[in-house]
Amino acid sequence: SQKIEQNSEALNIQEGKTATLTCNYTNYSPAYLQWYRQDPGRGPVFLLLIRENEKEKRKERLKVTFDTTLKQSLFHITASQPADSATYLCGGGNAGNMLTFGGGTRLMVKP
Amino acid sequence: DVKVTQSSRYLVKRTGEKVFLECVQDMDHENMFWYRQDPGLGLRLIYFSYDVKMKEKGDIPEGYSVSREKKERFSLILESASTNQTSMYLCASSLTGGAGTQYFGPGTRLLVL
Repeated sequence: SQKIEQNSEALNIQEGKTATLTCNYTNYSPAYLQWYRQDPGRGPVFLLLIRENEKEKRKERLKVTFDTTLKQSLFHITASQPADSATYLCGGGNAGNMLTFGGGTRLMVKP
Repeated sequence: DVKVTQSSRYLVKRTGEKVFLECVQDMDHENMFWYRQDPGLGLRLIYFSYDVKMKEKGDIPEGYSVSREKKERFSLILESASTNQTSMYLCASSLTGGAGTQYFGPGTRLLVL
């Protein structure tokens, strides 16, 4: 079955550094990948979408890449801040608006 | 501002009870979704609806049913709650067509005793 895998271990980094989160997909080829942020006790909030024909997308301090050869997306937060601490979810989809989500990676940015 | 609301933030029910979780969106979206979220398992799709009175099973529909009588409202029903349905339930909505961004509600944390 189609699967999205994210590193289940928390990522701890120092404030000001770049955080890089990984999303791998197997058994299918999503036409697009979406990244969401989720804070404790809240629903996920959409951050970025990247399509399979786009190599890279940026939004302020966020950057997402889509590598169809490696079947992977990387999500970068540059100049990270403690306020960026959250769980980040990757979801992959095709036509029909259904997304398959990964388990999320928790990011902790220490001052 | 886009808004998806869920009827309860926290709910405690007994095994065997019938449970209704309600979700309302104010964005005139065609698509609505119900997920459950468990540690280590991520978000798993239970059911989704692409139009009024239309529904499709997701990855884990067993033990659940849904109802969509009006465009803005999507209900999840646990016919006979069991302890393994203790979880966080998230509702989402999106516009139809293309790679629709999903807008999530705040979630309902359900505990079945």
